[in-house]
Amino acid sequence: QKEVEQDPGPLSVPEGAIVSLNCTYSNSAFQYFMWYRQYSRKGPELLMYTYSSGNKEDGRFTAQVDKSSKYISLFIRDSQPSDSATYLCAMSPMNTGFQKLVFGTGTRLLVSP
Amino acid sequence: DTAVSQTPKYLVTQMGNDKSIKCEQNLGHDTMYWYKQDSKKFLKIMFSYNNKELIINETVPNRFSPKSPDKAHLNLHINSLELGDSAVYFCASSQGRRAANYEQYFGPGTRLTVT
Repeated sequence: QKEVEQDPGPLSVPEGAIVSLNCTYSNSAFQYFMWYRQYSRKGPELLMYTYSSGNKEDGRFTAQVDKSSKYISLFIRDSQPSDSATYLCAMSPMNTGFQKLVFGTGTRLLVSP
Repeated sequence: DTAVSQTPKYLVTQMGNDKSIKCEQNLGHDTMYWYKQDSKKFLKIMFSYNNKELIINETVPNRFSPKSPDKAHLNLHINSLELGDSAVYFCASSQGRRAANYEQYFGPGTRLTVT
């Protein structure tokens, strides 16, 4: 079983829909949680970052972390066709002196006009 | 003004060959990484260097050897290539070893196909 689980999708939604992307994890040492977006044939780029539990909002994007359930979410409001990409969650334990990110397998999102 | 660049972008080679992938970053970062992304999009860290010192060395066949001539460069040499080495290899960089400096910047990837 992988340390980080993520539904690979694809998740198909119409433009304007609210999208919910999720990851579960097993390692309770994870403290830093990130969402990366990866367009086809490109490298991942950081979207959102949260530390420990709680919510963080940035424009149309909201990241939530529930450490008690070992569950993190990314919500996208008013989704656009340009949001079509693979979304990777990533996490890292706090007590390492280096940034060893553990990634989920990514969820492919398709937003149709 | 590319931040993290990799060469080549595509690499097609036969089993048994030796090949290298080069990575350069112009962000002034001191930490660089190599990741492997398989056909199912699973991205897994292989190596990390901080100031030319190897700090992450995951369970990777010793046919893979990273080399960091300076802070801005991290190369990956692969000996005796196997079919299972086919994947996209991403280089990334970040500033600092502390998790507080979290953002890793990724290159465009090198798509390796072993036939």
